[in-house]
Amino acid sequence: ETGVTQTPRHLVMGMTNKKSLKCEQHLGHNAMYWYKQSAKKPLELMFVYSLEERVENNSVPSRFSPECPNSSHLFLHLHTLQPEDSALYLCASSQDSGTRGYNEQFFGPGTRLTVL
Amino acid sequence: GEDVEQSLFLSVREGDSSVINCTYTDSSSTYLYWYKQEPGAGLQLLTYIFSNMDMKQDQRLTVLLNKKDKHLSLRIADTQTGDSAIYFCAESLNTGFQKLVFGTGTRLLVSP
Repeated sequence: ETGVTQTPRHLVMGMTNKKSLKCEQHLGHNAMYWYKQSAKKPLELMFVYSLEERVENNSVPSRFSPECPNSSHLFLHLHTLQPEDSALYLCASSQDSGTRGYNEQFFGPGTRLTVL
Repeated sequence: GEDVEQSLFLSVREGDSSVINCTYTDSSSTYLYWYKQEPGAGLQLLTYIFSNMDMKQDQRLTVLLNKKDKHLSLRIADTQTGDSAIYFCAESLNTGFQKLVFGTGTRLLVSP
């Protein structure tokens, strides 16, 4: 595997389910990100991890819970979601969090989440 | 605010040039980026420009930056059907890390 992978690619869940999204990067990067992409809205940054430490939590509801066990893996645990949480969830990684100004992010293909 | 604005849709014929425009908000952004998203895929970096430049050319791509007006554009020469995708511009904000703020994306449709 190369680049950034995400599983599952599609997920349908009820509002009372608990599920997890997984992201893995094979690029040796030290920073990882979760974004939410909804139709006709800008990408919304949800969480940022740098060297496995959370550096940004962008006012995300507590029903979304991130976990970064090491610099290659990132999870998003989902619990008691609402229908408006249906979206494409994108994971990204970068060499670092842009300490020298440049911050090219490499994106995975996303998980298409539908909440019924 | 952090709004990066783009028009939602652009349609061109194959072989024509495409110009996608973007306005951003933070004059201190050091880098500005253009990403491309094809159906079923994540975003992929196309090109970027450093804020002390006003133009960057990379094969069929030309980026123009007007810092006074906070305006960024991406020109694709000789547009091909394979260029059909959504194009996002992004500015970088220094919030302790380099946060990328993306626009809504411009859907480019190239017809034969």
